[in-house]
Amino acid sequence: EVQLLESGGGLVQPGGSLRLSCAASGFTFSSYAMSWVRQAPGKGLEWVSAISGSGGSTYYADSVKGRFTISRDNSKNTLYLQMNSLRAEDTAVYYCAKDTGGITMVRGVLDLWGRGTLVTVSS
Amino acid sequence: DIQMTQSPSSLSASVGDRVTITCQASQDISNYLNWYQQKPGKAPKLLIYDASNLETGVPSRFSGSGSGTDFTFTISSLQPEDIATYYCQQYDNLPTFGQGTRLEIK
Repeated sequence: EVQLLESGGGLVQPGGSLRLSCAASGFTFSSYAMSWVRQAPGKGLEWVSAISGSGGSTYYADSVKGRFTISRDNSKNTLYLQMNSLRAEDTAVYYCAKDTGGITMVRGVLDLWGRGTLVTVSS
Repeated sequence: DIQMTQSPSSLSASVGDRVTITCQASQDISNYLNWYQQKPGKAPKLLIYDASNLETGVPSRFSGSGSGTDFTFTISSLQPEDIATYYCQQYDNLPTFGQGTRLEIK
């Protein structure tokens, strides 16, 4: 079955760190770019970061640049999001999503989504 | 950043109605525009890509059109299972989403 499964969310204090993981199955993970998209409670969708299939190209929203790092381990079919210096406004459900872009490029068409993992930043 | 403005923000319609949502980009994005459906408590689902292409498995009552800065999403005959929030998203530059349109049954 083609699916994405996020993990690693939880409650963290402001200024703290958290690493999210997204396990992929049912498709050739290394052939596709991947993205993280978040949704604050009761709010709309916000694109956070993307990475090409090879991992050689990465992109970030201005709101997280310098604090978050996207990476992937193609041998483990897993996508990561390292989140540092967390703020209250980072509280959201974080979704990983498969991009139709390939090994060297990110396209921005997200055709498969995980169920999401909730990150709460609060003291 | 490219701003995406969706309208209306909410919409109430009857089963069988034709429903239209619009999305305007702050600059020319050619046809780099997707539409997603998000049902309550669920992940978003891709419905339309490249402004007018129907994703595999999506019912044909859903359609999209437009290019440049102005785009339209249409449900030709509203069904009860279409109750959801719909988002447009551009990918001409770093992706950005519209604010969403909440669709309810009248």
